[in-house]
Amino acid sequence: DAKTTQPTSMDCAEGRAANLPCNHSTISGNEYVYWYRQIHSQGPQYIIHGLKNNETNEMASLIITEDRKSSTLILPHATLRDTAVYYCIVRVAGTSGNTPLVFGKGTRLSVIA
Amino acid sequence: GAVVSQHPSWVICKSGTSVKIECRSLDFQATTMFWYRQFPKQSLMLMATSNEGSKATYEQGVEKDKFLINHASLTLSTLTVTSAHPEDSSFYICSARAGQGYQPQHFGDGTRLSIL
Repeated sequence: DAKTTQPTSMDCAEGRAANLPCNHSTISGNEYVYWYRQIHSQGPQYIIHGLKNNETNEMASLIITEDRKSSTLILPHATLRDTAVYYCIVRVAGTSGNTPLVFGKGTRLSVIA
Repeated sequence: GAVVSQHPSWVICKSGTSVKIECRSLDFQATTMFWYRQFPKQSLMLMATSNEGSKATYEQGVEKDKFLINHASLTLSTLTVTSAHPEDSSFYICSARAGQGYQPQHFGDGTRLSIL
């Protein structure tokens, strides 16, 4: 699976949009981009995933560049509860479903009141 | 949907004890489950892939005789830490995927294991 590069940490003011970048310049055509977050002492929480098109759900939006070499996770109105480590993971989506996610170091997002 | 339940959430036991952790997929069947370990201030590290009805596949450096994995049904996988020692103290997290290969993995809330 392609590797990803994320900033180590970011700050965001409460109520503002949090934009978390991820670089995956070696991504291949059959690899999806997944975003998870981990709040302290909890298991990772799924946020969103995509292949080519931009995606939006109740939690966030995922913007993938046209060349697919980078993406941005957008939390539209960050709250203090969004403080967490955010992981961007690229994974080949085979039909068997037995390929695990491999976690990097992620971005530590601190939402500030 | 796609809920993964893990039990216990935390356990403290004496050195030399064996500890069993359960991972259940509550609303879906999972032929494959994954076990991760996380040390303080570090990221999740994959330990093994658990396959229903067959032997688990362990990552390099993970002792299969130390960390016994049993995936006896489509909704339950167990991880047993045998003869646990203080260096086995960690946060253990299980995960499973519902549906096709591109679907996301869902994670349990983790088990914090402390060996005295």
